Amino acid sequence: AQSVTQPDIHITVSEGASLELRCNYSYGATPYLFWYVQSPGQGLQLLLKYFSGDTLVQGIKGFEAEFKRSQSSFNLRKPSVHWSDAAEYFCAVGADSWGKLQFGAGTQVVVTP
Amino acid sequence: EAGVTQSPTHLIKTRGQQATLRCSPISGHTSVYWYQQALGLGLQFLLWYDEGEERNRGNFPPRFSGRQFPNYSSELNVNALELEDSALYLCASSRPGQTVSEQFFGPGTRLTVL
Repeated sequence: AQSVTQPDIHITVSEGASLELRCNYSYGATPYLFWYVQSPGQGLQLLLKYFSGDTLVQGIKGFEAEFKRSQSSFNLRKPSVHWSDAAEYFCAVGADSWGKLQFGAGTQVVVTP
Repeated sequence: EAGVTQSPTHLIKTRGQQATLRCSPISGHTSVYWYQQALGLGLQFLLWYDEGEERNRGNFPPRFSGRQFPNYSSELNVNALELEDSALYLCASSRPGQTVSEQFFGPGTRLTVL
């Protein structure tokens, strides 16, 4: 069965420090991978996606993610965090004919001054 | 370009009642997806509509149903409401012609069942 695991439920990071959020997936074929961000009381905004090609993907707001097939991972990174990055981050996997996205449980990011 | 819109923003119902939630996709998008985000349960896929047809359904009871109209807007109906139906219901849309495409989400409808 397909699954997405985000091992970290909660991460606290200082403003200006780097951030890495982990995502591991389980899927038989090459997956379509996404990272979304959700601010309190709002819907989800797409940060970046991986379908194929270059395994290092650039997204909006200075985020990037790297697809590592050997580790079944798609970790999200940002070199320098801003206070506005405080939010919940979701990793998701999609596949042909599903329609749906399978989401991880999310990682809550808190940014301290 | 207007984003995905949902109405109402908040909805309060009592147990046993019916709730109707509405979603308008981004112009040009033909697929609509519904997700439930309940406290402690994460984001769960409910339904996928494309070109007016239900294409896939998540692991929810039949009292969760919906439809997609000719203008691609969509409605989610929840009958015989139960307390555990309290959640944020998110609608998303995507472009036509792709088996997997990025989904654009609306702000959600917060359903509270008392």
